[in-house]
Amino acid sequence: DTEVTQTPKHLVMGMTNKKSLKCEQHMGHRAMYWYKQKAKKPPELMFVYSYEKLSINESVPSRFSPECPNSSLLNLHLHALQPEDSALYLCASSLTGALGNTIYFGEGSWLTVV
Amino acid sequence: AQSVTQLGSHVSVSEGALVLLRCNYSSSVPPYLFWYVQYPNQGLQLLLKYTTGATLVKGINGFEAEFKKSETSFHLTKPSAHMSDAAEYFCAVSEGGNTPLVFGKGTRLSVIA
Repeated sequence: DTEVTQTPKHLVMGMTNKKSLKCEQHMGHRAMYWYKQKAKKPPELMFVYSYEKLSINESVPSRFSPECPNSSLLNLHLHALQPEDSALYLCASSLTGALGNTIYFGEGSWLTVV
Repeated sequence: AQSVTQLGSHVSVSEGALVLLRCNYSSSVPPYLFWYVQYPNQGLQLLLKYTTGATLVKGINGFEAEFKKSETSFHLTKPSAHMSDAAEYFCAVSEGGNTPLVFGKGTRLSVIA
């Protein structure tokens, strides 16, 4: 079963709020990813975790804080976001970060910042 | 550095007609290539991928793609379009390691009855 589960599906938050997006996979994958996707655009990589360690941070503002509590879970903590951060946030995973491994995506969390 | 170019941001075909979505890539090493589909308000679903070996790759829902190294292309085709194929299609390339998936800008496929 190739499934990445994301919660919540929809989130509306104010600019002073603190919220979190959650992602879970039980495929034994050791690489997990956060992507941001704006309307009519391709996904943009934000973070990569490999074996629970942050391996790539694509110069993402500090108001986005990732966390990988264990090999199955990935969180994205949100604080003091701006309206332009409104987007679809996609979690993904792959067996490892090695060449050729398929990256499987979740359904995404729609974030609206008001 | 790796990059992907998808020719045509929007392609419209009649139901039953051939679907051809174009993808060209650049990569400093032999690439791994992927096609993903995104239906409205959903995440990305893998259609097919090329790693090594046979250059004609068959995927789900009747789609296939051919890797042509000499043309640096990986075009996606389907012999007969169905209404349910209407979606956004992304071509992506990976060099692995610390250079994860890089996406093209996407092509929106419309299917006309």
